[in-house]
Amino acid sequence: EIVLTQSPGTLSLSPGESATISCRASQRMNRSYMMWYRQRPGQAPRLLIYGASNRATGTPDRFSGSGSGTDFTLTINRLEPEDFAVYFCQHYGDSTGTFGQGTKVDLK
Amino acid sequence: QVQLVQSGGEVKKPGASVKISCKTFGYTFTTYGINWVRQAPGQGLEWMAWVTFQNAYTNYPPKFHGRLTLTADTSSGIAYMELRGLESADTAVYYCARAVGVGLDYWGQGTLVTVSS
Repeated sequence: EIVLTQSPGTLSLSPGESATISCRASQRMNRSYMMWYRQRPGQAPRLLIYGASNRATGTPDRFSGSGSGTDFTLTINRLEPEDFAVYFCQHYGDSTGTFGQGTKVDLK
Repeated sequence: QVQLVQSGGEVKKPGASVKISCKTFGYTFTTYGINWVRQAPGQGLEWMAWVTFQNAYTNYPPKFHGRLTLTADTSSGIAYMELRGLESADTAVYYCARAVGVGLDYWGQGTLVTVSS
């Protein structure tokens, strides 16, 4: 079973700044299985990135994903108010869907 | 318009069972699978199960073996998740989500299950 570890746990930033979130897998994984979600308070998660670097329908271009092997990154440029939320990476494939523990982006 | 609508919140005693429904709209039910995900209060997301309906395939982590049953009414487009032997640690918001080739693209609104004596 792949374990995903996200860092940092919390990012304190201001609107307009950039955020970089890391997701490290316990073993090499197929990059097509790496997904990123955003969850706002009181809401269900929303798919942002699939296949490590592809924006899902409706995802603004300020979001980008990269990485391969065991190391993956979600970058958010020019933070908007709605981006202050929790972000999760997910290994989605082979009929499993393990999540990272989450990274909270909050207002500095 | 794709929607997943879940049943309402439940309060259960330890040892009881809960069955949550996830009614789908706006697509052919058997074309895609459903994943179940839960979130304990203030915690992260925990993947619980993967189910596909064309071949009645299910997969879930060992921790749920013997406690979890996944069923569906394919004619009505409804997926069900039943969890037995509830403990306080099962208190969480439970989500269903549509599983497509590129992730979980539509989610239900969540169902809060509270386990308390």
